[in-house]
Amino acid sequence: DGGITQSPKYLFRKEGQNVTLSCEQNLNHDAMYWYRQDPGQGLRLIYYSQIVNDFQKGDIAEGYSVSREKKESFPLTVTSAQKNPTAFYLCASTPTSGRVGDTQYFGPGTRLTVL
Amino acid sequence: AQSVTQLGSHVSVSEGALVLLRCNYSSSVPPYLFWYVQYPNQGLQLLLKYTTGATLVKGINGFEAEFKKSETSFHLTKPSAHMSDAAEYFCAVSDRGSGGGADGLTFGKGTHLIIQP
Repeated sequence: DGGITQSPKYLFRKEGQNVTLSCEQNLNHDAMYWYRQDPGQGLRLIYYSQIVNDFQKGDIAEGYSVSREKKESFPLTVTSAQKNPTAFYLCASTPTSGRVGDTQYFGPGTRLTVL
Repeated sequence: AQSVTQLGSHVSVSEGALVLLRCNYSSSVPPYLFWYVQYPNQGLQLLLKYTTGATLVKGINGFEAEFKKSETSFHLTKPSAHMSDAAEYFCAVSDRGSGGGADGLTFGKGTHLIIQP
């Protein structure tokens, strides 16, 4: 079955540590996105990538980094510079880069907790 | 810049009653509009979307929404609520003029729908 997988489902981190969240899709989609979700805040865009080896900052990129070395993979690293990393992280993809109105398909999410 | 306002962080209805979740947007150009549903600790699932054409859009699970340009609204309705409809609902906008489809959606803060037995 085609879809988006995120791992791990739950992640615990000590303060000062970097952690990497995995996002893989087998939908052959061009564009991929990372969102952060906080209670009562909706979803906010962290980074997005329209094509391999290229990515753009979203609204809240500070303290995060990404890579897009393969079409199907878009890992997110939460660095120690992110002051409040505890949140639910969602990865999404769309079939076509640059086409306005494409439906975004979401993975199941990773819940990150900083201890 | 585009924005989305969802009126009411929590909405409670009785099973079998009408569901109405409100969404207003601001955009400098006609937008694409979406409603997503999220169950606890899961990702988002598309309910329906408006692109062009008919302003009344039908989606999955009996939901529908009407695009009203004059009111800049895209309210979500369902004639008869079911217990399984209890979830978080998000309205989102993609701005046609700015290539919003490529650079992500702008989401409202969400409405938690509670179904009373």
